[in-house]
Amino acid sequence: QKEVEQNSGPLSVPEGAIASLNCTYSDRGSQSFFWYRQYSGKSPELIMFIYSNGDKEDGRFTAQLNKASQYVSLLIRDSQPSDSATYLCAVNIGSGGAQKLVFGQGTRLTINP
Amino acid sequence: KAGVTQTPRYLIKTRGQQVTLSCSPISGHRSVSWYQQTPGQGLQFLFEYFSETQRNKGNFPGRFSGRQFSNSRSEMNVSTLELGDSALYLCASSSGTGNQPQHFGDGTRLSIL
Repeated sequence: QKEVEQNSGPLSVPEGAIASLNCTYSDRGSQSFFWYRQYSGKSPELIMFIYSNGDKEDGRFTAQLNKASQYVSLLIRDSQPSDSATYLCAVNIGSGGAQKLVFGQGTRLTINP
Repeated sequence: KAGVTQTPRYLIKTRGQQVTLSCSPISGHRSVSWYQQTPGQGLQFLFEYFSETQRNKGNFPGRFSGRQFSNSRSEMNVSTLELGDSALYLCASSSGTGNQPQHFGDGTRLSIL
């Protein structure tokens, strides 16, 4: 079993709709979770991070964490064509402040005008 | 605030050679992590340095090594290059304390002929 799993997509969503991206992880001791957006040919860009169970909102983005189910999700409201990218879920499996991010394979999202 | 700076942006080498990549973190950041990104394997963790010490290491052969200097700048070295080392090498920096998020540089695209 991979440590971090995402649906590879592609996920196609009409403009203005909600895009829902999901991620599961295997290390129950993980404490921090991140979503990165990567445009083709570019480096990953931090979108959201979440440490506690529940929802965290930032503009059109909402990250959701359920540690009991080992599940992280990212919702993008009012999707725009500029949101079309690959979204990477990352889990920090390092301990004691050390950082070791494990990434999922990424979900390719396409927003259709 | 300047972002993470990686040099060079592109490199072409031949098998058997060695290469050194450089990374300057965001000012004030003490943790530098290195990742390899390939189409087949995705983003994979190489190692993390904090205060000139390697704090975490991924599952890569000993040909991959790194170091960090007192000003937090980091270098990564790959010796005896193989065709499979062709990849985008990404550096990310963070404050290194707690679960602070990492921010990526633009990467170095390494091609092995």
